[in-house]
Amino acid sequence: GAVVSQHPSWVICKSGTSVKIECRSLDFQATTMFWYRQFPKQSLMLMATSNEGSKATYEQGVEKDKFLINHASLTLSTLTVTSAHPEDSSFYICSARPTSGKITRPSTDTQYFGPGTRLTVL
Amino acid sequence: KNQVEQSPQSLIILEGKNCTLQCNYTVSPFSNLRWYKQDTGRGPVSLTIMTFSENTKSNGRYTATLDADTKQSSLHITASQLSDSASYICVVSENTGFQKLVFGTGTRLLVSP
Repeated sequence: GAVVSQHPSWVICKSGTSVKIECRSLDFQATTMFWYRQFPKQSLMLMATSNEGSKATYEQGVEKDKFLINHASLTLSTLTVTSAHPEDSSFYICSARPTSGKITRPSTDTQYFGPGTRLTVL
Repeated sequence: KNQVEQSPQSLIILEGKNCTLQCNYTVSPFSNLRWYKQDTGRGPVSLTIMTFSENTKSNGRYTATLDADTKQSSLHITASQLSDSASYICVVSENTGFQKLVFGTGTRLLVSP
């Protein structure tokens, strides 16, 4: 239980285009999802906290107009990288914190991570 | 400033040997501490989670310890296997509304045959 999926797993795009990454909680509902970015040999850096039905909360230094987050349902959050540039190339990971669901004893204190999306901007 | 520091940065051991990874933190207020394993190109997978009152937690060949007084934790891997090659990340959760996670920089472990 507590599976989080991301799609796509790998995307290559041209500079100036927009890319959408999906994060889904497959067997539980998640009011809160998180988006992280990870550069090579570095740890995860929180970009924003996504709350279902409300605006995302962005960390300092993260441009909200560039990284658009939509959390329209309790099982889906999307991150859109707008007008992508080569410096946006990174590994993007989402996580979801359960609020309720079918899995046994879902831990509302735990974030379950997705497998990540590798973005390469040419 | 809330920080999590891990050592060593990287480690190479022979298959079958044991190893111990270290984690020091300054996060306050403290909620819990987790160790994650992250394979290259994959998302982190939880190994153990410990709250303030727990001193040790095991998950198969992985054993984590926590000393809340000194704010130190360790992850001991017994009888290492090639599949243990990965980054191991220590993550401390703040005891606030959003339970914000503070990530360590990780230890990159390579198990050599």
